[in-house]
Amino acid sequence: VQLVETGGGSVEPGGSLRLSCATSGLPFRDYYMSWIRQAPGKGLQWLSYISSSGTTIYYADSARGRFTISRDNAKNSLYLQMNSLRAEDTAVYYCVTVIRGEYFLHWGQGTLVTVSS
Amino acid sequence: QSALTQPASVSGSPGQSITISCTGTSNDIGPYKFVSWYQQHPGKAPKLIIYEVTNRPSGVSDRFSGSKSDNTASLTISGLQPEDEADYYCTSYTTSRTWVFGGGTKVTVL
Repeated sequence: VQLVETGGGSVEPGGSLRLSCATSGLPFRDYYMSWIRQAPGKGLQWLSYISSSGTTIYYADSARGRFTISRDNAKNSLYLQMNSLRAEDTAVYYCVTVIRGEYFLHWGQGTLVTVSS
Repeated sequence: QSALTQPASVSGSPGQSITISCTGTSNDIGPYKFVSWYQQHPGKAPKLIIYEVTNRPSGVSDRFSGSKSDNTASLTISGLQPEDEADYYCTSYTTSRTWVFGGGTKVTVL
């Protein structure tokens, strides 16, 4: 199983980024997925969840209204559209599989997002 | 969505046992068996070591064990080894259909 996040980088406050997560080695269309982030030197923070079909979506308060999770099962890919970015969104963003809607099994290597002027 | 409470650091000598607590509320740890634990070495992605409070994924050492009582979950590492030095995070599903993590515990092997 491999999860590869891309799309991170430096952006000014108020800007936007779209993260992608390409998956392989698993039947992606059968897996629930989430995005989790980790600010430099800080702990883990769950951001968003999407069901296997994409019909059920949940967000943390910190992500709701600014971030949008989506998936393309034909491309075995997960996405996170991030708008109105703030300095406190600076973090490594991880794509993860959610097993039985309970726990996080497979993790990507993460992609770093830096929000700074 | 307040974070679960973990001690900032725990230490022990090789061969000893240590326990990391993870305290939540009746809205997260309390009602569910959906507590999981993750080990993270510096510069690496987290790794699942315990799920559903007590279960170990295939390949995880049986020196790691989990338990739960009311609103508090615990991770015990028995026979502490140098490679166990890492950060450990607990997480739980919540009644708000979200997940909440603990702040993390740094384990030091003396």
